[in-house]
Amino acid sequence: DAGVTQSPTHLIKTRGQQVTLRCSPISGHKSVSWYQQVLGQGPQFIFQYYEKEERGRGNFPDRFSARQFPNYSSELNVNALLLGDSALYLCASSLDRRANYGYTFGSGTRLTVV
Amino acid sequence: GENVEQHPSTLSVQEGDSAVIKCTYSDSASNYFPWYKQELGKRPQLIIDIRSNVGEKKDQRIAVTLNKTAKHFSLHITETQPEDSAVYFCAAPKRGSSARQLTFGSGTQLTVLP
Repeated sequence: DAGVTQSPTHLIKTRGQQVTLRCSPISGHKSVSWYQQVLGQGPQFIFQYYEKEERGRGNFPDRFSARQFPNYSSELNVNALLLGDSALYLCASSLDRRANYGYTFGSGTRLTVV
Repeated sequence: GENVEQHPSTLSVQEGDSAVIKCTYSDSASNYFPWYKQELGKRPQLIIDIRSNVGEKKDQRIAVTLNKTAKHFSLHITETQPEDSAVYFCAAPKRGSSARQLTFGSGTQLTVLP
């Protein structure tokens, strides 16, 4: 049974560009959350989606957006990239909206903005 | 929002000794407290979690204790082994979150010396 899969694994972008990151949750999981992890820090919550609706948003600018598809996979988009957006972007899936059974993280996408 | 403080930031122990990591949280309504282990270059993995209706939970060499009055919870690892070396993160639900949006601590780098 596949875990949470994210693509691409690594990405290098130039300031001002746009990027799309992808996540496929564990089969049967309907909730997908996105976290940003800057080197040396704990993950920071960006978004949660459940049943294709946004259920929560962290303290990130409008340059960050996301969506969830009917098959529960998700995309995170970041526009007008800044150097400070360089981080590991983690996707986490859970069975239900309240994550009563915990979250499972993917291996992440390492984004470098130059 | 929820504030989670984690101590210490680094911890070195001799193999076979115990390790304790402590976190404090600010929202008295928080009711779910997971611990994640992140090895270098890998995804965070849930190792144990506790809910506010119990004071302690054990899983082999790992235990978590919760003091709701003092608003702190701790991770205890007994009989440490070199493979326990990693960064450990505690987390608590974001204040006002109905959907398990987690606020993470800043992490503890645990090194188990052979």
